[in-house]
Amino acid sequence: AQSVTQLGSHVSVSEGALVLLRCNYSSSVPPYLFWYVQYPNQGLQLLLKYTSAATLVKGINGFEAEFKKSETSFHLTKPSAHMSDAAEYFCAVCKRSNTGKLIFGQGTTLQVKP
Amino acid sequence: DVKVTQSSRYLVKRTGEKVFLECVQDMDHENMFWYRQDPGLGLRLIYFSYDVKMKEKGDIPEGYSVSREKKERFSLILESASTNQTSMYLCASSFPPGGPGETQYFGPGTRLLVL
Repeated sequence: AQSVTQLGSHVSVSEGALVLLRCNYSSSVPPYLFWYVQYPNQGLQLLLKYTSAATLVKGINGFEAEFKKSETSFHLTKPSAHMSDAAEYFCAVCKRSNTGKLIFGQGTTLQVKP
Repeated sequence: DVKVTQSSRYLVKRTGEKVFLECVQDMDHENMFWYRQDPGLGLRLIYFSYDVKMKEKGDIPEGYSVSREKKERFSLILESASTNQTSMYLCASSFPPGGPGETQYFGPGTRLLVL
């Protein structure tokens, strides 16, 4: 069965510092992988996704993530945090089947301090 | 732009009431999903539908049912609301795999309080 683990339910960084949000997955076959962001009182918005092309994926708002098969990881990074990055971030995995079902991690709340 | 709308942003209901949550998407997506979001648990899939009148149970279907009579509309029904169904409910839609991608597009959510 597929699963997703996000390490750290809360991450706090200073403005301008590196953002690193960790995601590990469990899947018997290479899956599709996603990062979504949820700003307060809003739905989820896609940041980026990996669908078996380049292993380094660039997303919106300066975020990127690298698929590492050997480590079963898909960590999200941003070189320099901005106050507007404060939100909850979800990693998700999708089995390559005909349903498109997503399995989400528990979420990581990013706090950005001035 | 894809738009997924949900009928209410906030809803307060009494225990035992029948509750309808409506979701409409305007991108002709085949797949539609209902999730509930609880702190520390992420999003959990309640039901999904990959075609009109088709539905499949997700991970936590107990106490819920769904209806999809038209392609653009997917309704979540709480047959008899209970306090443990107090939660944020999120609807999403997507093309099927093999189409333009797996991305799910989410509505703004309905925060339901059951008293």
